[in-house]
Amino acid sequence: QKEVEQNSGPLSVPEGAIASLNCTYSDRGSQSFFWYRQYSGKSPELIMSIYSNGDKEDGRFTAQLNKASQYVSLLIRDSQPSDSATYLCAVDNYGQNFVFGPGTRLSVLP
Amino acid sequence: DGGITQSPKYLFRKEGQNVTLSCEQNLNHDAMYWYRQDPGQGLRLIYYSQIVNDFQKGDIAEGYSVSREKKESFPLTVTSAQKNPTAFYLCASSIDRSTTNYGYTFGSGTRLTVV
Repeated sequence: QKEVEQNSGPLSVPEGAIASLNCTYSDRGSQSFFWYRQYSGKSPELIMSIYSNGDKEDGRFTAQLNKASQYVSLLIRDSQPSDSATYLCAVDNYGQNFVFGPGTRLSVLP
Repeated sequence: DGGITQSPKYLFRKEGQNVTLSCEQNLNHDAMYWYRQDPGQGLRLIYYSQIVNDFQKGDIAEGYSVSREKKESFPLTVTSAQKNPTAFYLCASSIDRSTTNYGYTFGSGTRLTVV
């Protein structure tokens, strides 16, 4: 059974700070990794994807991947109260579907 | 506008009753998926379909059934065999049969409650 682990939080950061969200996965053969944001009572929204080791930046978001350590992270720079949500890590299951982590709840304090 | 429509938004089920959740997409996506989300938990895969007239069981398929008679539609039936159906149900689609290069587009969800 493939597993994706995340700290459930809540992770609290002050407005303007960097929020760091972490995810580990069990299957060394996983090829692609996605981050979703989910506001309370709503459906998940895609933030970004990453496929290769290293960093990938998109605006205030940076995804980091280390396949050797089976670790993927999401950094949010200049955090805003509107970033307060649950962040879901999703790992590709050999092209069939995605396995999701339990999510990390982020709270950005004004 | 293209998207995925789930209906109803809220659904109440009596004990022993079967109910069907609707999921329709006009994105021309090949693959469709059903996930269940319980409070404080991640998404768990119920069923998925990569092509019309074919579908595969996910991790928690017991007590559920699906059909994929049209590319646009992937309804989920929650049967009386599902003993704890209260949850938030999410339908998703992916542009390609393989998820490796593309993420999901999600519908707005159906919240099912047993009364």
